[in-house]
Amino acid sequence: AQTVTQSQPEMSVQEAETVTLSCTYDTSESNYYLFWYKQPPSRQMILVIRQEAYKQQNATENRFSVNFQKAAKSFSLKISDSQLGDTAMYFCAFMNQPSGGYNKLIFGAGTRLAVHP
Amino acid sequence: EPEVTQTPSHQVTQMGQEVILRCVPISNHLYFYWYRQILGQKVEFLVSFYNNEISEKSEIFDDRFSVERPDGSNFTLKIRSTKLEDSAMYFCASEAGVVDEQFFGPGTRLTVL
Repeated sequence: AQTVTQSQPEMSVQEAETVTLSCTYDTSESNYYLFWYKQPPSRQMILVIRQEAYKQQNATENRFSVNFQKAAKSFSLKISDSQLGDTAMYFCAFMNQPSGGYNKLIFGAGTRLAVHP
Repeated sequence: EPEVTQTPSHQVTQMGQEVILRCVPISNHLYFYWYRQILGQKVEFLVSFYNNEISEKSEIFDDRFSVERPDGSNFTLKIRSTKLEDSAMYFCASEAGVVDEQFFGPGTRLTVL
């Protein structure tokens, strides 16, 4: 069974600084998808960024980028120029290559990020 | 911008009672999911639903749980004979196509007393 591990329960960063959140996963599959979701205090889950395992290029979305190391099964999230609104819980999630067109997300335990002024 | 909505935002019930959690997915989406998050813990998959039937369910989704899409717009999760350990935040999600973004609703906090 696939597992997702986030080893940092809490992180903090000063506004405008850069922070990296770690995620490792375990799978025997070669094709899969990885995601970072943000859950602010309002509790709604918001997709931050996704990465397809078959793509070697790391995904980027504005201030958010990932470092995807397939051999090491590592998928870290880098947040540049941190803003107060980035304060949230961040979940790393894994999805197998779907069969039948649907599939579940498997989440890590989350990292609580606090951005300080 | 289209969004997934869920009602109620908070449901309190007595142990042993039945609850129905409601979700309105984004209108053109085809795949629907329920997840739950016990306070302070990870988000866990419950069930996926496509073409009016369950695609996959987890061990959590025992025979007290059921889902249906009664009218082509709503997507409901019913829990019969609720237990204290059912207390959690329940999230509905919908997805337009294969490995598109799963859009999450704001969640329903279920408290079983």
